[in-house]
Amino acid sequence: GEDVEQSLFLSVREGDSSVINCTYTDSSSTYLYWYKQEPGAGLQLLTYIFSNMDMKQDQRLTVLLNKKDKHLSLRIADTQTGDSAIYFCAETTGGYNKLIFGAGTRLAVHP
Amino acid sequence: EAGVTQSPTHLIKTRGQQATLRCSPISGHTSVYWYQQALGLGLQFLLWYDEGEERNRGNFPPRFSGRQFPNYSSELNVNALELEDSALYLCASSLTGRGSTGELFFGEGSRLTVL
Repeated sequence: GEDVEQSLFLSVREGDSSVINCTYTDSSSTYLYWYKQEPGAGLQLLTYIFSNMDMKQDQRLTVLLNKKDKHLSLRIADTQTGDSAIYFCAETTGGYNKLIFGAGTRLAVHP
Repeated sequence: EAGVTQSPTHLIKTRGQQATLRCSPISGHTSVYWYQQALGLGLQFLLWYDEGEERNRGNFPPRFSGRQFPNYSSELNVNALELEDSALYLCASSLTGRGSTGELFFGEGSRLTVL
């Protein structure tokens, strides 16, 4: 079936690293994505990883993919208050243009 | 370049009424997606349109329907509104075809409140 699971809440101190985890079910997913939703706004793509990659780094963001365990993680280095948002993991399924999203992880950054 | 635009921003209806939400994709995008974001439930896939055709549908009752127009804009219709239809409805568009990463570009949503 189609299912993406994430923990619902993460609290970190400003300057620390944040790690948001996600598990997915469709092993044929071509791409896996991380989206960010700030309060009152739509979703914005943060980064994505192609399924034949293990890791992708983009400035403060590091994405790790474990295909065997169907586990995806997003690490945010030096977390800032502006990183407070909901982070959604998504997989492509049933054809590469259909995205299934997790429930979202609410990241709270405190001083 | 304009992003995905949705209207109305907010809509208040009563039970049993019908709601119509509208979406204009990014210029050049042929695919439009609708998602429902109810409180605490994440994003639930509703519908996918491409080139004017419904390509896929999520696990929602038939009173959720829509269409895509020749200019690729789209409408989502919800008939016989129920209280639990209250949610943020997000529209997204994407390119299709080889070379596409499948990235969705989202609008800011239409918040539907059913009283």
